[in-house]
Amino acid sequence: ELKVEQNPLFLSMQEGKNYTIYCNYSTTSDRLYWYRQDPGKSLESLFVLLSNGAVKQEGRLMASLDTKARLSTLHITAAVHDLSATYFCAACTSGTYKYIFGTGTRLKVLA
Amino acid sequence: DVKVTQSSRYLVKRTGEKVFLECVQDMDHENMFWYRQDPGLGLRLIYFSYDVKMKEKGDIPEGYSVSREKKERFSLILESASTNQTSMYLCASSPISIMNTEAFFGQGTRLTVV
Repeated sequence: ELKVEQNPLFLSMQEGKNYTIYCNYSTTSDRLYWYRQDPGKSLESLFVLLSNGAVKQEGRLMASLDTKARLSTLHITAAVHDLSATYFCAACTSGTYKYIFGTGTRLKVLA
Repeated sequence: DVKVTQSSRYLVKRTGEKVFLECVQDMDHENMFWYRQDPGLGLRLIYFSYDVKMKEKGDIPEGYSVSREKKERFSLILESASTNQTSMYLCASSPISIMNTEAFFGQGTRLTVV
C-alpha cells in the first residue's frame, strides 16, 4: 500500500531565505505531483514529475524526483511572502490513477 | 480551463440525515475522486471512479457510498451523517493520459454535522 510522507509539517521562514520540503513515498511510483493550497481555497497544480531525475522550475520553486530513493523535493529560493501557503505532494502507484497525498507542509514566510 | 464544480461550498446537516455531495466536471475526464481534508491528516481518498458505474474504495470508505451514472458527474453519499464526518470534502477529476497529467480539484464543500 502506497504511503506518502512529507516533512516538515510546518515551516516558518524569513523572506530571502532558501529551504526544502521533502516528500517520501513507500512503494514504486511512476508519477509525483506537487500542489499548492491557499487558505480557504482548493488545490492548484504546481508540478508533475514523470521520470527519475526529473527537475522542473517555476519562479522561486524547483521540484525534483529521485525514484530510486523514493524521494521528491520542493526547493524554495529566496522566499517571498506570496509563497505562504500549504504545499502537498502526491504519488500514484505504478499503473494506477489513485492519487495518494502527503499530510501537507504549511509554509509561512515572514517579512 | 478544466472546471470541476461542487454543488455547495457550505453545508450544515443533522446527525442521521442522508447527505448528497455533487460534483460535475466539464473536461470529459475518465477518472473522478472524492477526498476529505482534515487538519494534520492531509487529503484522504474516500472513493474513486474510472468509468461510468465503476467505483473503487479508497483508504477511508466506511460510512460513504458513491454514484456515477454519467461520465461528468460523481456523487458522494453519506448514508447516515455523523459528527465525525464533519470535514472539508474535495472532488477531483483527471484524464487517462499517456502523459499522466495531474488531478484537477473543485472548490471544496465544508460539511458540518450537528
